[in-house]
Amino acid sequence: EAQVTQNPRYLITVTGKKLTVTCSQNMNHEYMSWYRQDPGLGLRQIYYSMNVEVTDKGDVPEGYKVSRKEKRNFPLILESPSPNQTSLYFCASSRIQGSNQPQHFGDGTRLSIL
Amino acid sequence: AQKVTQAQTEISVVEKEDVTLDCVYETRDTTYYLFWYKQPPSGELVFLIRRNSFDEQNEISGRYSWNFQKSTSSFNFTITASQVVDSAVYFCALTLDTGRRALTFGSGTRLQVQP
Repeated sequence: EAQVTQNPRYLITVTGKKLTVTCSQNMNHEYMSWYRQDPGLGLRQIYYSMNVEVTDKGDVPEGYKVSRKEKRNFPLILESPSPNQTSLYFCASSRIQGSNQPQHFGDGTRLSIL
Repeated sequence: AQKVTQAQTEISVVEKEDVTLDCVYETRDTTYYLFWYKQPPSGELVFLIRRNSFDEQNEISGRYSWNFQKSTSSFNFTITASQVVDSAVYFCALTLDTGRRALTFGSGTRLQVQP
């Protein structure tokens, strides 16, 4: 089954404790991206990747890091999480040909930073 | 910068009613792509439809239909004969013809369909 898999689905942690949210897709998509969803703000892009070893900032990259060492994986790293990073996070992937390719989203990761 | 506005924060209807979700967008680009996504209570985001800026044909898929009008910068979504399973938050989104392909989302419309 074609899917984008995120782990964990839920995480409660404390300020300053490094964490990683994993994202894996099995559709051989070149493009991957991370979004955060906050009430009243819709979804905003954090980082994106056009292919292996190619990453760039989105609209709200501060406080986040990413890496793309393999085509299927695109982990989101919070080196020193803070309460304002409490949010619902989504990973997405799509084919690279044409901007009209729909992005397929994972089920989301709900992070609470205390 | 582009913007997507979904003015209806929440809509409540009774089952079998028709309902239209409004979406108005702003962009200076002539090539862009519009999408609708559904977010059910379980939280995942489900792709529903995409539309290219150069294709103004309306589309119908079962009980769902979409009306794209460039003259009014709108891309409205109608559910005919709504069902309880349609209860969700619906997002309209826009992306430009650039490498970053970031989706600019509206703030969403929560649809509640009462039995």
